[in-house]
Amino acid sequence: DAGITQSPRHKVTETGTPVTLRCHQTENHRYMYWYRQDPGHGLRLIHYSYGVKDTDKGEVSDGYSVSRSKTEDFLLTLESATSSQTSVYFCAISAGTTLTYEQYFGPGTRLTVT
Amino acid sequence: SQQGEEDPQALSIQEGENATMNCSYKTSINNLQWYRQNSGRGLVHLILIRSNEREKHSGRLRVTLDTSKKSSSLLITASRAADTASYFCATVGAQKLVFGQGTRLTINP
Repeated sequence: DAGITQSPRHKVTETGTPVTLRCHQTENHRYMYWYRQDPGHGLRLIHYSYGVKDTDKGEVSDGYSVSRSKTEDFLLTLESATSSQTSVYFCAISAGTTLTYEQYFGPGTRLTVT
Repeated sequence: SQQGEEDPQALSIQEGENATMNCSYKTSINNLQWYRQNSGRGLVHLILIRSNEREKHSGRLRVTLDTSKKSSSLLITASRAADTASYFCATVGAQKLVFGQGTRLTINP
């Protein structure tokens, strides 16, 4: 999976609790992305980062925040998890912008909010 | 929406046959990318075709792009059981990938 790890790989949590997902890369790529994948919706972009401390919102950013204090780590936080955030979350990295470069995906984190 | 839409949603063929999947989109793009996802795994990049390209090959894969019709196709020749997966097209406009819902391809032995 192109030097990308995600942790945890599976998590069950209760509604209202905070949850943080971690993406770690060993490729030193500048761009990192968080997506969620749901049946009937395909993959949707939550947030992305184009450098340390440089982040921007994606299509479905409400209820999520991100942080990137080091090149190799990109954290996704659900401030107060809701059942609608039950999903599979994928991290991706890219050497450059999507105008030119492909993305490499991690193995995913399956999150269940009860 | 710029989202690509794949057609068909599901395709089942015999091993050795060719598989063709189509992708349509609505707005102008910079490039279009195809990805494969095996069950329970992350997506794997297959091929990127730029808006000024009409056809691209990679091994058994052939991708075409028709910007006038806002459509792309992915052809997998001489299919194998290992090609069983979901295939997604992703369009690139404002520096972000926008994925379609995918085509589920099943190769029967």
